[in-house]
Amino acid sequence: GAGVSQSPRYKVAKRGQDVALRCDPISGHVSLFWYQQALGQGPEFLTYFQNEAQLDKSGLPSDRFFAERPEGSVSTLKIQRTQQEDSAVYLCASSLEPGEYGELFFGEGSRLTVL
Amino acid sequence: AQKITQTQPGMFVQEKEAVTLDCTYDTSDQSYGLFWYKQPSSGEMIFLIYQGSYDEQNATEGRYSLNFQKARKSANLVISASQLGDSAMYFCAMSPRSKAGTALIFGKGTTLSVSS
Repeated sequence: GAGVSQSPRYKVAKRGQDVALRCDPISGHVSLFWYQQALGQGPEFLTYFQNEAQLDKSGLPSDRFFAERPEGSVSTLKIQRTQQEDSAVYLCASSLEPGEYGELFFGEGSRLTVL
Repeated sequence: AQKITQTQPGMFVQEKEAVTLDCTYDTSDQSYGLFWYKQPSSGEMIFLIYQGSYDEQNATEGRYSLNFQKARKSANLVISASQLGDSAMYFCAMSPRSKAGTALIFGKGTTLSVSS
């Protein structure tokens, strides 16, 4: 489809496992954002890419979280040594504009459950 | 610090009635954007409406309108003629337009339930 695609939609991990979440933004979109949404809460910013450059990673909660977008299109959010508090929906969003106001298009999210 | 406050955890409305979802914001920026998103149970965030801080007129998009009161720092969403398909979570969000690539700051959301 033409929208933002995220995979897997659902992931169950045992505590301590590493996970990788993938985001396919809309083709040609310059900006890409990752958000974390805990149950019953609003999304919280994790990190931002402009093309392949990670311009802001101030929202990453710990050094166990790592994101990359090596060719300026697909992005991967990796969580090492998962903890129960990492359980959340991880949303990816992209926009055509590099900054200022660009309408964000969100994927359906990857729901991570850490046991 | 920038903050979005949505004080209504849940709202209930009957079909065809209008409903107002409250949103207040806090920012020291002069230039900023305000957004409303809808999140159905499928999880996808759907953009509804945008208001720029310098826009003099309230934004409207079909059945959605944004009641922007800058002095009171409020940006309430009004949905006219509610439909069953409007049942979802609604999030108010803000972005400082002056800073490139700045992420949206979201409120905690309001769950809207529309009954027949």
